Amino acid sequence: TQLLEQSPQFLSIQEGENLTVYCNSSSVFSSLQWYRQEPGEGPVLLVTVVTGGEVKKLKRLTFQFGDARKDSSLHITAAQPGDTGLYLCAGVNTGNQFYFGTGTSLTVIP
Amino acid sequence: KAGVTQTPRYLIKTRGQQVTLSCSPISGHRSVSWYQQTPGQGLQFLFEYFSETQRNKGNFPGRFSGRQFSNSRSEMNVSTLELGDSALYLCASNVGRANYGYTFGSGTRLTVV
Repeated sequence: TQLLEQSPQFLSIQEGENLTVYCNSSSVFSSLQWYRQEPGEGPVLLVTVVTGGEVKKLKRLTFQFGDARKDSSLHITAAQPGDTGLYLCAGVNTGNQFYFGTGTSLTVIP
Repeated sequence: KAGVTQTPRYLIKTRGQQVTLSCSPISGHRSVSWYQQTPGQGLQFLFEYFSETQRNKGNFPGRFSGRQFSNSRSEMNVSTLELGDSALYLCASNVGRANYGYTFGSGTRLTVV
């Protein structure tokens, strides 16, 4: 099993604050994806990173893939209530197998 | 284009019964994966079908089965339902390479009483 551990597991912050979610593994992945899931819905793909050290920005969200392609981070600037949800990282190994992380539940309080 | 469609959205079944869930992937997507999501266990992989063949399988008992049709639509069946099978069942489709990411349906909420 190629375990992807996310931290923190739960996060509750005030609107306007910044936050970082981490996704760590001892395994190397060919790519790393981030999804956001809202209650009662399926996860929605936010971004895919494929190159070690790659940084991608999506408005107030910044995603980084670790140099060794074993970890990733998601940074949100000036969080808004609409950012509330479950954030999931997912790794793809060289065998095209797909593994979800343990998830981070984010609540942004207005 | 239309997204991934799962039916039904909600289902209540009694212990011992069986249930069939349906998933219609995005047009052109040949891979369909199924996941079980519960508060305690998170997202757990059930199986993946590609071109009507099961390509990968998770660690679930044989009561959980699936199939894919020639039009890529997929069904998942759970026999002899147990209370612990209560969960959100999610279907995801993909062109066939995991690196391209998955599009998920809204899920079927199964409650076993």
